[in-house]
Amino acid sequence: KAGVTQTPRYLIKTRGQQVTLSCSPISGHRSVSWYQQTPGQGLQFLFEYFSETQRNKGNFPGRFSGRQFSNSRSEMNVSTLELGDSALYLCASSLRDTLEDEQYFGPGTRLTVT
Amino acid sequence: SQKIEQNSEALNIQEGKTATLTCNYTNYSPAYLQWYRQDPGRGPVFLLLIRENEKEKRKERLKVTFDTTLKQSLFHITASQPADSATYLCALLDTGRRALTFGSGTRLQVQP
Repeated sequence: KAGVTQTPRYLIKTRGQQVTLSCSPISGHRSVSWYQQTPGQGLQFLFEYFSETQRNKGNFPGRFSGRQFSNSRSEMNVSTLELGDSALYLCASSLRDTLEDEQYFGPGTRLTVT
Repeated sequence: SQKIEQNSEALNIQEGKTATLTCNYTNYSPAYLQWYRQDPGRGPVFLLLIRENEKEKRKERLKVTFDTTLKQSLFHITASQPADSATYLCALLDTGRRALTFGSGTRLQVQP
């Protein structure tokens, strides 16, 4: 069974631009969560989706948004990029509608904002 | 405020020894705690989950303990190998936010 895939793997953007990152969960997984990882702040929760519904959102500004499609694939968008948005963005999927399930992480998208 | 603390300094041990990593938390009442391994440039990989009513859990060379009184979890790797070198993250469920909250991780370096 294929793992979680994220595209693109690397991205360089300029301040003020916007970016869209994509995540395909493991087949059959309906829950998708997004995290931002930086050396200073570690792994921070962005949002979680289940069956196309955003169930919770972390403490990030409204510039960060996401959605989930009927096939469970998910995208996150960051508008008006700032230098501080440079990070590894990780997507994780899990099988059931419960946070007790282990999270299967993708390899991440490394975003650099210049 | 809520905090999850892992030793930020790298842990260096000799091959064959037991590595012990610590995860302390404050102002959480987690139903369970998870441990993940992360290699450079890759996403975390799930290792073990321990529930609040479990004192200890084992999987091969890994052992996790969970003390809700001390608000602490210990993660042990016995007979450590250089291939165990990685960053280890603990995570607990923040029920109010429906999110896993991660510690900052401890880097383990096993010397041959």
